[in-house]
Amino acid sequence: QSVLTQPPSASGTPGQRVTISCSRGSSNIGSNYVYWYQQLPGTAPKLLIYRNNQRPSGVPDRFSGSKSGTSASLAISGLRSEDEADYYCAAWDDSLSGNYVFGTGTKVTVL
Amino acid sequence: QVQLVQSGAEVKKPGASVKVSCKASGYTFTSYGISWVRQAPGQGLEWMGWISAYNGNTNYAQKLQGRVTMTTDTSTSTAYMELRSLRSDDTAVYYCARDLRGYDFGYYYYMDVWGKGTTVTVSS
Repeated sequence: QSVLTQPPSASGTPGQRVTISCSRGSSNIGSNYVYWYQQLPGTAPKLLIYRNNQRPSGVPDRFSGSKSGTSASLAISGLRSEDEADYYCAAWDDSLSGNYVFGTGTKVTVL
Repeated sequence: QVQLVQSGAEVKKPGASVKVSCKASGYTFTSYGISWVRQAPGQGLEWMGWISAYNGNTNYAQKLQGRVTMTTDTSTSTAYMELRSLRSDDTAVYYCARDLRGYDFGYYYYMDVWGKGTTVTVSS
């Protein structure tokens, strides 16, 4: 099964900007939209970014998504303590298996 | 408000089956799909598949083909996920989520509302 690769961890102090990368091949990110989910400790995931760079209602504009070729990234500007969570990218995979694949996940720590 | 309420925790023996329910409220059930995602202890998210609440069409993860069945009951706005021949590595939190699928400039598919999760423990 295809895997989207993310750095296992990222950190920053309050107010800083943190960027998380997500990369894989052309059968998923290269040809499809990328999504980002936030999972606070002990809770269910929450949709953070859809269709590469769109924010659902209620998601602060501190969160932004982008995609270029077979890579995508999530940026958190003005980092806050409540942003400490796991972040997962995801994309549909056009390969024969036709699965939805999640990234390996990135733990963001606010120092 | 839009809400997905899942059934309670389950403990099963290896080889048994489990059926998790997910009751939707606050929206028109048949206008969206329901997806299932699981998360083993300390691990990442794993997509299991989706079901259209409109026509019952399904798409399962290749890894689970033959062991998983997703169904819906539109009269009660409830979705179900049954997993058979349970193994210890099926121990996980199982989430249902409302999903949106379609085409605009490309195919889109994502989950915008999630249930709180159901813990399934497989142990002898």
